[in-house]
Amino acid sequence: GESVGLHLPTLSVQEGDNSIINCAYSNSASDYFIWYKQESGKGPQFIIDIRSNMDKRQGQRVTVLLNKTVKHLSLQIAATQPGDSAVYFCAEFSSTGANSKLTFGKGITLSVRP
Amino acid sequence: DVKVTQSSRYLVKRTGEKVFLECVQDMDHENMFWYRQDPGLGLRLIYFSYDVKMKEKGDIPEGYSVSREKKERFSLILESASTNQTSMYLCASSLSGEMNSPLHFGNGTRLTVT
Repeated sequence: GESVGLHLPTLSVQEGDNSIINCAYSNSASDYFIWYKQESGKGPQFIIDIRSNMDKRQGQRVTVLLNKTVKHLSLQIAATQPGDSAVYFCAEFSSTGANSKLTFGKGITLSVRP
Repeated sequence: DVKVTQSSRYLVKRTGEKVFLECVQDMDHENMFWYRQDPGLGLRLIYFSYDVKMKEKGDIPEGYSVSREKKERFSLILESASTNQTSMYLCASSLSGEMNSPLHFGNGTRLTVT
């Protein structure tokens, strides 16, 4: 199987419960954030994004919260399903002068117990 | 839906070989990217391109080159493969002229260099 999940922290949740996946970002100048889901054997899949002029954004069964004061991003998944089992990682975009950079976190493995 | 297609899922090459990894996207995206993904290191940007025949170095370009002769195709070239280039390679594309729009990834090419 994929080795991308090795050495990553793991969050284990019961099917049907809500999941909260957290991400601390490093650059206070970052103004755009993305959550990705990566299932075994597949590439990262876009879930939801948020810009720094917002503190909350909702999608289908997912909510992203942004706290710029403490540089914290979270992904909430409602009624977690077995198909949600995957590695989740956040990405932050920052632009300083002529340099733009998208930085990915290392990821968290979500494991859903039946 | 955006489709990013990487030509090979698995490749095994010998040290010193020249290796071509091909990527095609079907949504007329301007931006294309090559990342490698390694356990514990996350996603690292190798090269990217904002337009045809344009290329920019990412964070780890050494040992790699790229080619973008057509808008939909972005090739990663390993001039002389080495064992430390054994990795999962991910191609991505995005629409906007800046990097602050979601990247859409292919399913990856797992390259083993022996």
